[in-house]
Amino acid sequence: NAGVTQTPKFRVLKTGQSMTLLCAQDMNHEYMYWYRQDPGMGLRLIHYSVGEGTTAKGEVPDGYNVSRLKKQNFLLGLESAAPSQTSVYFCASRPEKPGQGYNEQFFGPGTRLTVL
Amino acid sequence: AQSVTQLDSQVPVFEEAPVELRCNYSSSVSVYLFWYVQYPNQGLQLLLKYLSGSTLVKSINGFEAEFNKSQTSFHLRKPSVHISDTAEYFCAVRRMDSNYQLIWGAGTKLIIKP
Repeated sequence: NAGVTQTPKFRVLKTGQSMTLLCAQDMNHEYMYWYRQDPGMGLRLIHYSVGEGTTAKGEVPDGYNVSRLKKQNFLLGLESAAPSQTSVYFCASRPEKPGQGYNEQFFGPGTRLTVL
Repeated sequence: AQSVTQLDSQVPVFEEAPVELRCNYSSSVSVYLFWYVQYPNQGLQLLLKYLSGSTLVKSINGFEAEFNKSQTSFHLRKPSVHISDTAEYFCAVRRMDSNYQLIWGAGTKLIIKP
């Protein structure tokens, strides 16, 4: 199993450009999450999904959109990138039902995004 | 609302010395507690968790944490650190009545001095 994978690993954008970050998991997890990590601020939740076709806002959703068209994929979009969105983005997934890994979020390796 | 405070942004310690990373939380409801570790240039991975039962929980690599309800703390300890423990450690809580979200601390960087 690959676990949680993220594409791309690195990206540099100019202000105003758009892009989509892809998260894929092969563990059949229901819940998926997008976080951003900034120095000294820990992880902040951007959006999350509790199942295919559903999304919900997290702590810092402004400037981002998400879609969960397939259970295994969770896409994070930036329509018009701003320098304040320079960050490391992590995707995570978690099973819905009690069992192995129920109380654990499984993380991808991250995407380092720079907006100039 | 819940919040998690990790009082130290960095903790330098000599190799083979003991270490304690502090975590305090506030919550109006009961919570589950977690420690995650992030090695350099990697994603986070679960180190240990407290769900119920014994208040002392241990990881396979020698870390332990104790849930103290009266002090609302979940400090992480290791009696003897190794260079391979160099990482950032995050404390997190989840409400027992919520299935979705973790509330995260700001993280503590453990710096091992040779």
